[in-house]
Amino acid sequence: DSGVTQTPKHLITATGQRVTLRCSPRSGDLSVYWYQQSLDQGLQFLIQYYNGEERAKGNILERFSAQQFPDLHSELNLSSLELGDSALYFCASSVGVSRGGYTFGSGTRLTVV
Amino acid sequence: AQSVTQLDSQVPVFEEAPVELRCNYSSSVSVYLFWYVQYPNQGLQLLLKYLSGSTLVKGINGFEAEFNKSQTSFHLRKPSVHISDTAEYFCAVSVGGSEKLVFGKGTKLTVNP
Repeated sequence: DSGVTQTPKHLITATGQRVTLRCSPRSGDLSVYWYQQSLDQGLQFLIQYYNGEERAKGNILERFSAQQFPDLHSELNLSSLELGDSALYFCASSVGVSRGGYTFGSGTRLTVV
Repeated sequence: AQSVTQLDSQVPVFEEAPVELRCNYSSSVSVYLFWYVQYPNQGLQLLLKYLSGSTLVKGINGFEAEFNKSQTSFHLRKPSVHISDTAEYFCAVSVGGSEKLVFGKGTKLTVNP
């Protein structure tokens, strides 16, 4: 157990639908990062939150959004889903890259049918 | 933008043989470097990291890596691999104090008996 909790582990949904992925960071970590892992694109950085505020944005589609709540858990919302959104979505948390990198959760496997 | 190149997408080796997984990055400024391992159907686990100091870094499971600034490389090595080392290995870099990790495409290590 890495200390980063992601739910659900698996999600199957239809095109056009909206889903919410949840992440609880490791205790003490203020930063949360979301990554998408697919066979063709590899690990792509989506977005980072630090203590409730958006800190950095990567290749995140406009159909996707995220937030971090006062208790530091984070949610990634994916809407108007397309077949190509099928992927593994990872959450990671950190006290700071300079202090040792990220701790990853076990991921949510999203399948869009 | 910084990039990370893992030169081999797949590396097959026999058990107890040595292995080197190659990683090069593009940056002329200070970097933090990481290797992560991903076992099937699991999240990413930190193997080792270079933040500063000695260029030879030792990690878990008998792995080590050497930071070579002149060659912008951070190759991962293990003198004798086990079947249980079969996994995908990712090199990652943070450049200039950025909190964002950029990942390579990964190298699938297969250890055969």
